[in-house]
Amino acid sequence: DAGVIQSPRHEVTEMGQEVTLRCKPISGHDYLFWYRQTMMRGLELLIYFNNNVPIDDSGMPEDRFSAKMPNASFSTLKIQPSEPRDSAVYFCASSLAGGEPQHFGDGTRLSIL
Amino acid sequence: SQQGEEDPQALSIQEGENATMNCSYKTSINNLQWYRQNSGRGLVHLILIRSNEREKHSGRLRVTLDTSKKSSSLLITASRAADTASYFCATDETSGSRLTFGEGTQLTVNP
Repeated sequence: DAGVIQSPRHEVTEMGQEVTLRCKPISGHDYLFWYRQTMMRGLELLIYFNNNVPIDDSGMPEDRFSAKMPNASFSTLKIQPSEPRDSAVYFCASSLAGGEPQHFGDGTRLSIL
Repeated sequence: SQQGEEDPQALSIQEGENATMNCSYKTSINNLQWYRQNSGRGLVHLILIRSNEREKHSGRLRVTLDTSKKSSSLLITASRAADTASYFCATDETSGSRLTFGEGTQLTVNP
């Protein structure tokens, strides 16, 4: 079974550039979550979707961050313009229902120089 | 702030010993879950215990839940070097449809 697929696995770019992270959830999962993980702040929920509709984006740090889910099999997280403090590992996860076990991708390690 | 707080933050044991990690939380929950994260990988779900359950087993894992104390523990018996990872608890609060993760316990099992 294919799990949650994230791309790219690694991204290194200069500050000011636009960054787009991609996620393909597990087929049939109605919920999709975007997290950010750093040593200082741990695992933070950025935004989550239910049936492609954003439900809670209160964790999105700034207007520079945006997320979309145009269909049930694809989501993007964009940072524009990127800053060095955005450097982190970004995870996508999906689940059948809101409080049920989440399946995580292997993350995108983002470095902003 | 994170709902779940794991204790200890780090634990180092010898292979074959048991490892116990604790998690405390603040609000009412539907269920509590434990996850493992190996270095450089995503979190992997281990076990879920619902609010009306007190204990659950899965292989070498034993989870307890005390809703009166708002706490849970994860016991890994007969630990192996491959159990070296970070372990997180996550709560499904009754007020929402998302999980709130703790800050994790880093477990090191020495061969």
